[in-house]
Formats: sequence, structure tokens, C-alpha cells
Amino acid sequence: NAGVMQNPRHLVRRRGQEARLRCSPMKGHSHVYWYRQLPEEGLKFMVYLQKENIIDESGMPKERFSAEFPKEGPSILRIQQVVRGDSAAYFCASSPNRTSGLRTDTQYFGPGTRLTVL
Amino acid sequence: GDSVTQMEGPVTLSEEAFLTINCTYTATGYPSLFWYVQYPGEGLQLLLKATKADDKGSNKGFEATYRKETTSFHLEKGSVQVSDSAVYFCALSDSAGGFKTIFGAGTRLFVKA
Repeated sequence: NAGVMQNPRHLVRRRGQEARLRCSPMKGHSHVYWYRQLPEEGLKFMVYLQKENIIDESGMPKERFSAEFPKEGPSILRIQQVVRGDSAAYFCASSPNRTSGLRTDTQYFGPGTRLTVL
Repeated sequence: GDSVTQMEGPVTLSEEAFLTINCTYTATGYPSLFWYVQYPGEGLQLLLKATKADDKGSNKGFEATYRKETTSFHLEKGSVQVSDSAVYFCALSDSAGGFKTIFGAGTRLFVKA
């Protein structure tokens, strides 16, 4: 069973460009979470999605950031018009479908995408 | 809101020393508690977890006990190795918070040979 996949692992963008980060959850997982880790800091929650639904986006900046988890394909975190302050590691996590009977409070993390804005 | 506070690092120990990393939490519901480890340049790996009061999570020689009375989940290991050098994150997940995970700031551990 493959783990959570994220790509790209490293992404370099110039100020004003767009960044697209992809996350494929573990097989059988229908809950996806995005977190941001600034250098030398802990992870901060950004958004929680299920297929085709945003459940909690309380940690998302109000502008330039958006997330989706379509019926088919990976979850996408999109950052428009990037600025230097967006440079960080972005981690995706997934947890099981609740109907599987498994606890959904354990999240399994991907390797992260390290975004550098020049 | 929910929060996690863990001891500041870095923590520097010699090989075979005893490790304690303190973690306390505040939560509105009945959270599950976790320790994650992050090796340099890598993502987070779940180290251990506990889902209810007095549960003890353990893995790879690390242990932590869920103490509801002191709202704590301290991480311990009896004899650390150089390969344990990493950043350790205490975290909680609360159903009242929609299962998003709240992380502490992390504690960097250096183990010297």
C-alpha cells in the first residue's frame, strides 16, 4: 500500500507566478489535509477536504490560496501570485474513510513539497 | 481553541542518555495524542499515539503516557542513539475540531556519539 504521494518534491517559482502542489492520498483514504511548515517552526493547519468538498478552510489565507479535491485525481493546493513569504514546506496528510470503521484521527503524512520563491 | 505546548530545543544528549521531551495540551473535547518525528529533509512519521486517558503509546523504544489529570503526553526513551537525532512534534487531534491535527512547535534533538 503506497503512502501519501506529493509532487513535486521541490518547486521554485519567481514572485508573481503560480504554484500548484499535488497530493495523492493513501489508498482507501478519502480525507485530505494540507499543512504549512515555515523554517524552524511547527506545522500549521491550512485546509481539510473530502472528495469534492472543503470541510474546514479556517487555516487558509483569505487571498491567493485555494484547494480542491476532485472526484477523480489528486488534491491540489494552488497559490497564485506567489510572494517570498510563501516559501515553506507544504505537507499533505490523509486519513481513512470513516465508513471503513477505522479511526480517522490518525493522519499519514506525505514527504512534502518545498516551495522556494525567488 | 486547542493547543499544544512542548519544551523548546535544541536538546543535546550523549548516546545512551535518557530522553524526556515535555508536552502539554489544551483541548475542548477528548483528543487523541501523537508524537511525530521528522528527520532532516523528510516528512513527518508517526512515532506513537494514545487515544484515551492512561493509554501508553510505544514504538522503537520511545514511550508516552496520556495523562488527563496533568494534560500531558511527555515523550521518553531510556537510551538514545545517534540515529534518533531529529525534530519531534507533539500533536493532538480532536473530533470537536474536525480531526485536524494541532502541532507543537517541535523539539530538535541532537545525539552525540
